[in-house]
Amino acid sequence: DQQVKQNSPSLSVQEGRISILNCDYTNSMFDYFLWYKKYPAEGPTFLISISSIKDKNEDGRFTVFLNKSAKHLSLHIVPSQPGDSAVYFCAARPFVISSGSARQLTFGSGTQLTVLP
Amino acid sequence: NAGVTQTPKFQVLKTGQSMTLQCAQDMNHEYMSWYRQDPGMGLRLIHYSVGAGITDQGEVPNGYNVSRSTTEDFPLRLLSAAPSQTSVYFCASSSPRVGGELFFGEGSRLTVL
Repeated sequence: DQQVKQNSPSLSVQEGRISILNCDYTNSMFDYFLWYKKYPAEGPTFLISISSIKDKNEDGRFTVFLNKSAKHLSLHIVPSQPGDSAVYFCAARPFVISSGSARQLTFGSGTQLTVLP
Repeated sequence: NAGVTQTPKFQVLKTGQSMTLQCAQDMNHEYMSWYRQDPGMGLRLIHYSVGAGITDQGEVPNGYNVSRSTTEDFPLRLLSAAPSQTSVYFCASSSPRVGGELFFGEGSRLTVL
């Protein structure tokens, strides 16, 4: 059973508009959440993260929102640009109890974002 | 700055053959890990290491071995390749600070016939 779910395999958005990527999780022990971006033939790269003590984190055009009661987070990209076209992975990890568990990320299946010029 | 380097980038094996995927990082990261990416499954953790001489299993360890003799290197060994191991493999490392994100290599695409 997937503990981190990205129910939309793909999303298309017009350039300049907002992209909203969604992620749901089931494990109540998760308390740190990350978004990674992946281009074809490259490894995933870290984009933005949020701790469970916050409900919003912003970095330039990227904002992540966390709704703990709903076990839901979303990534907003405003304005969307063609260079944002990539696969976006949501990831989560539990509260840090050891250096090993701190790094064990559980990933969602990814959402392919296409930004149309 | 090379970051995380994986070799080879592509490999075709026959069922039953063995091989080693190499991973090296030059960031002096204590933590290293191997993930596999399959369509519709995201990235799944195979094995990880919190430092030289220490390894542990992740979510999907069967059919794979790892060792960590140095801080820099974390090879992944396929003992007897099976078609189910056809996948893209990613090595990743991170610093010990809380919140330290994973840095990934470019991936190794493995096909087992």
